[in-house]
Amino acid sequence: KAGVTQTPRYLIKTRGQQVTLSCSPISGHRSVSWYQQTPGQGLQFLFEYFSETQRNKGNFPGRFSGRQFSNSRSEMNVSTLELGDSALYLCASSDPGQHNYGYTFGSGTRLTVV
Amino acid sequence: ILNVEQSPQSLHVQEGDSTNFTCSFPSSNFYALHWYRWETAKSPEALFVMTLNGDEKKKGRISATLNTKEGYSYLYIKGSQPEDSATYLCASTGGFKTIFGAGTRLFVKA
Repeated sequence: KAGVTQTPRYLIKTRGQQVTLSCSPISGHRSVSWYQQTPGQGLQFLFEYFSETQRNKGNFPGRFSGRQFSNSRSEMNVSTLELGDSALYLCASSDPGQHNYGYTFGSGTRLTVV
Repeated sequence: ILNVEQSPQSLHVQEGDSTNFTCSFPSSNFYALHWYRWETAKSPEALFVMTLNGDEKKKGRISATLNTKEGYSYLYIKGSQPEDSATYLCASTGGFKTIFGAGTRLFVKA
C-alpha cells in the first residue's frame, strides 16, 4: 500500500510569489489535513479536507488556501509569499470512518522563501 | 480545543534509563488522543491512538495511558535506547479538528 506522497520535497521561492504544494493520500483515505512546522514550533494546523469539502480551518491568513479533488488528492496554495512562510509543510491522511483512526504523514515539503 | 501542552520540552537520558512524558489536553469535546514519534529527516509515525478513559496501550518498551476526565496522557519508555532519540508528539482530536502539542525532544546517550 503506497504511503502519503507529497510533492515537491523542496522548494525555493522569492517573496511575493505564490506556491502550490500537492498531497496524495493513502488509497481509500478521504481526509487530508495540512500542517505547518517552523523551528521551535509544533505542528500548526492549517486545514482539513474531507470528500472535497474543507471541514476545518486553523488560524492562518487568507493567503493560505487549499482544495481537494474527487480522487482525494489535495493541494495547498500560498499566495504573496512572506519570509515567515518558510517552513516544513506536512500533510496527513486518515480514514475517519475507522474507530481509533490515526494519521499517516507524508515526508513533507520544505519551503524556503528568500 | 484550545491547547495541547507537552512537558518536558526536552529530555536527556542515559541508555537504560526509563522515562516518561506528559501531554495535557482540554477534556471537553474530546474524541481521541494520539502519540507520534518523529525522527529527524523522517515523517511522524503513529505510536498509539486512545479514546477511552483509562485506556492503556503498549508497543514493545513504549506504553501510554489516558485520563480523559482530567485531560492528560503519559507516555513511558522503559530502558531507553539510542534509537529512541526522537521528538514525541501528542495530539488531541475533537470536533473534527486535531491539535498537536509542541513535542518532547528525547536524547538518549549511549
